[in-house]
Amino acid sequence: GAGVSQSPSNKVTEKGKDVELRCDPISGHTALYWYRQSLGQGLEFLIYFQGNSAPDKSGLPSDRFSAERTGGSVSTLTIQRTQQEDSAVYLCASSGTGGARELFFGEGSRLTVL
Amino acid sequence: GESVGLHLPTLSVQEGDNSIINCAYSNSASDYFIWYKQESGKGPQFIIDIRSNMDKRQGQRVTVLLNKTVKHLSLQIAATQPGDSAVYFCAEKPAGWGKFQFGAGTQVVVTP
Repeated sequence: GAGVSQSPSNKVTEKGKDVELRCDPISGHTALYWYRQSLGQGLEFLIYFQGNSAPDKSGLPSDRFSAERTGGSVSTLTIQRTQQEDSAVYLCASSGTGGARELFFGEGSRLTVL
Repeated sequence: GESVGLHLPTLSVQEGDNSIINCAYSNSASDYFIWYKQESGKGPQFIIDIRSNMDKRQGQRVTVLLNKTVKHLSLQIAATQPGDSAVYFCAEKPAGWGKFQFGAGTQVVVTP
C-alpha cells in the first residue's frame, strides 16, 4: 500500500502472554520509529531504526520489549510477558531519510492486556 | 531530563476565529521544531516545521513562530474550521538522524 501499515489493529491478550506487533513502512523509507501512546497522552518514544540497525533504543521500557527490522523494511515490536501497564496504542512511523522532518504514521496497534 | 511540553491541554475555539497553540521546549540544541495533528483514531500527521535559525514560517492557514529567547513555540491556525478539531503535538529533533521528542498535546475543539 501507499502508507504505513500496522497489524494487528487491535490485540487483546492475557497478562503474561507474549505479543508481536508488525509495521510495514512506506517502500524505500530508511528510517522507522516506534512510539507508544497511552489513552489521552502524548507519544512516548521507544526505538528508531536506520536501515536494519537501531542507533537509539533508549525508550524501550524494560527488557521485555524488543524490536527488529529486516531487509530494511518490515519491523516487529515484541513484548514478552505482557503486563497491564503495557496497554496502549503502539504507533509506527517511517520517513525517507534521517534528516526528514515529516514522519508518516500508521494508524497504530491498540494493545489491551487483561 | 530535557523535554517538550505544552501550556494548555484543551483549547476551545469558535469556528472562524484564529487559534493559537503553545509549546515550551527545553532542549536548545534541537535543530527542528515540528507540529503534528492527530485526529481521533488516526496516527499523527505532519503540519509544518521550522528550523532553529528561523523565527517564523507560514503555510496554508498555519503559521509557526519560534522564540528561542524564551524557548517557546506556537502554532497559529487562521479561520479555524470544524476539521481542525484534533490533538496537536509539538515535537523537536536534531538535524540528521535522531529521535523526534513529542510534547504532551493540546486538544483543540472547534465550536459552531
